Amino acid sequence: DSGVTQTPKHLITATGQRVTLRCSPRSGDLSVYWYQQSLDQGLQFLIQYYNGEERAKGNILERFSAQQFPDLHSELNLSSLELGDSALYFCASRPTVAGELFFGEGSRLTVL
Amino acid sequence: AQSVTQPDIHITVSEGASLELRCNYSYGATPYLFWYVQSPGQGLQLLLKYFSGDTLVQGIKGFEAEFKRSQSSFNLRKPSVHWSDAAEYFCAVDASGSRLTFGEGTQLTVNP
Repeated sequence: DSGVTQTPKHLITATGQRVTLRCSPRSGDLSVYWYQQSLDQGLQFLIQYYNGEERAKGNILERFSAQQFPDLHSELNLSSLELGDSALYFCASRPTVAGELFFGEGSRLTVL
Repeated sequence: AQSVTQPDIHITVSEGASLELRCNYSYGATPYLFWYVQSPGQGLQLLLKYFSGDTLVQGIKGFEAEFKRSQSSFNLRKPSVHWSDAAEYFCAVDASGSRLTFGEGTQLTVNP
């Protein structure tokens, strides 16, 4: 158990819909990261937050957004969903901006 | 930009045989280096990491990795593979402090 909690574990929805994925980082970790894992693109970095502020952006689509709340949990919002958005979405955290990442078990999104 | 290459997409070994998974990175300086393992339906678990110092690092589950600056490599090894080691293995680098960049992964199959 990494200490990072993600909900929901599985989610099935239709094209055009909007979903929210939630992440609770390890206790005390200020940095939260979101990654997307798909068969054709591997593990892709989406976005990083540190203590409530966006720190870095990767290959995140404009239809996707995220935020980190004062209690340090984070949410990833995916809208206007397309079939290609089907993937495993991981949240990870670490105490600062260096060192290893601790990963949650992921949220598997299936868009039909 | 930092990048990671894992040349072997899939490796098959017999139980009890030795294992070496290759990882090469591209970055001007020495980055932080990591190996993670992902079992089916699970998140990523850290096997070992290299920040500085001794270039041979020991990890969990009997794994070790050697950092070779001249070859920009960080290969993962295990002297004797167990059936439970079957999983996908990811090499990752952190050169900027803003994210981990992952390789495409190596799928390990262990034959009895």
